[in-house]
Amino acid sequence: AQTVTQSQPEMSVQEAETVTLSCTYDTSESDYYLFWYKQPPSRQMILVIRQEAYKQQNATENRFSVNFQKAAKSFSLKISDSQLGDAAMYFCAYRSAFWGAQKLVFGQGTRLTINP
Amino acid sequence: GAGVSQSPRYKVAKRGQDVALRCDPISGHVSLFWYQQALGQGPEFLTYFQNEAQLDKSGLPSDRFFAERPEGSVSTLKIQRTQQEDSAVYLCASSAGPTNEKLFFGSGTQLSVL
Repeated sequence: AQTVTQSQPEMSVQEAETVTLSCTYDTSESDYYLFWYKQPPSRQMILVIRQEAYKQQNATENRFSVNFQKAAKSFSLKISDSQLGDAAMYFCAYRSAFWGAQKLVFGQGTRLTINP
Repeated sequence: GAGVSQSPRYKVAKRGQDVALRCDPISGHVSLFWYQQALGQGPEFLTYFQNEAQLDKSGLPSDRFFAERPEGSVSTLKIQRTQQEDSAVYLCASSAGPTNEKLFFGSGTQLSVL
C-alpha cells in the first residue's frame, strides 16, 4: 500500500519570504500523480498543484512550485512571496495512475503560519 | 450548484444514534468520493461512486457505515449506532469524469459523538 509522510507538523514564514514544505511517499508503482492541497479553516480542500510522475519537469502554478525527485520519492512544495492568505493546512497526496484506482492517499498535513 | 454542497455542516449525536450525512456534488459530475478526516490528521478514503455504482468501499471502517447514490447524483453516508471514534469531519468530493479528473471538495460535515 502507498503511504505519504509529511514530517513537518508546523511551519512559519515571514510575509513575502519563501517557504518549503516537505513530503515523501512510498510506492512500488512507476506511474502515479502527486498533489498538494490547501485546507483553510473553512475545511474545503483546494488543489494547489499537481504533478504527473512520468513528467520530469517540475510543475509550477504562479507562486507555487514543486521539487519532484522520483528516485528519492520526494515531493516538496515551495511557496514564494508568501501572503497572509496562504496560511492554512497543507496536505500532500498520492494517487495511482492505474485506471479504477481513484482514491487519494493523504499525508498528515503541515500547518503553515504567515507572520506579518 | 456552483460547488459541492454538504449538509449538515455540524452534527452532534449521542452514542448509539444513527446519522445521515448528505452530499450534493457538482451537477453532472460522474465520480463521487467520501473521506473521513479525524482531528489533526489527513483525510482517509472511505468509498467511491461512479454514477450510481459503488466501485470501491474498501475504506469503510465497519459494517455500521453505509453509503448510497441511488440516482447517480446526491449521495448519503449513513452511520449506524454511532460511537465516539466516529467523531470526525466527513468530506465529500466530486469530479467530472471517471479518470484522473480534478477533484472538487465540499466543506464537510463535522460529526461529534457524545
